[in-house]
Amino acid sequence: DAMVIQNPRYQVTQFGKPVTLSCSQTLNHNVMYWYQQKSSQAPKLLFHYYDKDFNNEADTPDNFQSRRPNTSFCFLDIRSPGLGDAAMYLCATSRGRTSGRGSTQYFGPGTRLTVL
Amino acid sequence: GQQVMQIPQYQHVQEGEDFTTYCNSSTTLSNIQWYKQRPGGHPVFLIQLVKSGEVKKQKRLTFQFGEAKKNSSLHITATQTTDVGTYFCAGASGSARQLTFGSGTQLTVLP
Repeated sequence: DAMVIQNPRYQVTQFGKPVTLSCSQTLNHNVMYWYQQKSSQAPKLLFHYYDKDFNNEADTPDNFQSRRPNTSFCFLDIRSPGLGDAAMYLCATSRGRTSGRGSTQYFGPGTRLTVL
Repeated sequence: GQQVMQIPQYQHVQEGEDFTTYCNSSTTLSNIQWYKQRPGGHPVFLIQLVKSGEVKKQKRLTFQFGEAKKNSSLHITATQTTDVGTYFCAGASGSARQLTFGSGTQLTVLP
């Protein structure tokens, strides 16, 4: 059974047209992450929520926003996608953040975003 | 900020050969985790190491955490085509709020 679900799996948008990616989890984990991964690169953390506490990475562009309306769901909003935003967007969850078994991250299958 | 480097970036091996990837951190880590990402897939957790000098094995995979808790390695004995993928280490120092992923090593196994 899928534990971290991402929709849609593939998203095509036009340059400058807002897009929302969604992530849901059945693990009841406290932490949810959004990563951007480009071809042959490591996942790049955009931001994460610890419960309702939002933590933005310093180099995440303002064009990227996130919402977590409840424990199970988290959304990534790209307000004005540019060609450079085409990538795989990975959602991950963990019970805790950095130490112990609770910091293991469970990744969703990702959403591949294409910007035309 | 915390940096986690991995080498090599790419490795091609003949099936049956051994493979090792190394992970080095600029700071002392509280733990190190290893993930595998198959081509077209998402990262999947393999293992976590916590103790200084710790060694763990999973079948043909051997994971080590350095004595100073600043480096780690993953060794695969007698690679198989199913080992193909990118291996990432991820660690956190005591003050960090999230794991930092290494740059990854992309393994290709030639039949």
